Amino acid sequence: AQSVSQHNHHVILSEAASLELGCNYSYGGTVNLFWYVQYPGQHLQLLLKYFSGDPLVKGIKGFEAEFIKSKFSFNLRKPSVQWSDTAEYFCAVTPSGGYNKLIFGAGTRLAVHP
Amino acid sequence: DGGITQSPKYLFRKEGQNVTLSCEQNLNHDAMYWYRQDPGQGLRLIYYSQIVNDFQKGDIAEGYSVSREKKESFPLTVTSAQKNPTAFYLCASSIAQHGELFFGEGSRLTVL
Repeated sequence: AQSVSQHNHHVILSEAASLELGCNYSYGGTVNLFWYVQYPGQHLQLLLKYFSGDPLVKGIKGFEAEFIKSKFSFNLRKPSVQWSDTAEYFCAVTPSGGYNKLIFGAGTRLAVHP
Repeated sequence: DGGITQSPKYLFRKEGQNVTLSCEQNLNHDAMYWYRQDPGQGLRLIYYSQIVNDFQKGDIAEGYSVSREKKESFPLTVTSAQKNPTAFYLCASSIAQHGELFFGEGSRLTVL
């Protein structure tokens, strides 16, 4: 069965620190990959997605993610976080060519201190 | 404003009662989904529907039921058979296969 693993459940950073959130998935075929973010009191929204092409994808608010096929990974990065990045981040995967049935990771809660 | 509306936002029920959560979208999306969010477990798929009058079970469908009589509506019933119904329920929709999911603000159900 497909699964998504997010290594860090809680991350605490100071403003301007760099961020990297790990995401690994288990699926042998071609996949589409997503990162979603849930800010406090708000609904889930798409941060970025990868379907094909350049494995380094850029999303909103300065976030980027790199797809490394050999490692089954899709880690999220941001060079310098802000207090407003405090949120919960979810990695998700769905097989390419199949129905859009996203499998989500358990999420990572990020707290950024001023 | 286009979007997904879930209601109610908060709901309290006694054990043994069925509860129906509403989800309406005006995005003209074909596909709709229900997820359950529990702390430390992420989002788990309950049911999804690709077209009107058709729906499929997700990973944790037991104790839940849905209907899709209209394109814009996908209500979820949490039945008394659901052993642990207290959770945060999220409805989503998408335009097509492989597309981005758009989420509602969620409904928090507490069973007393």
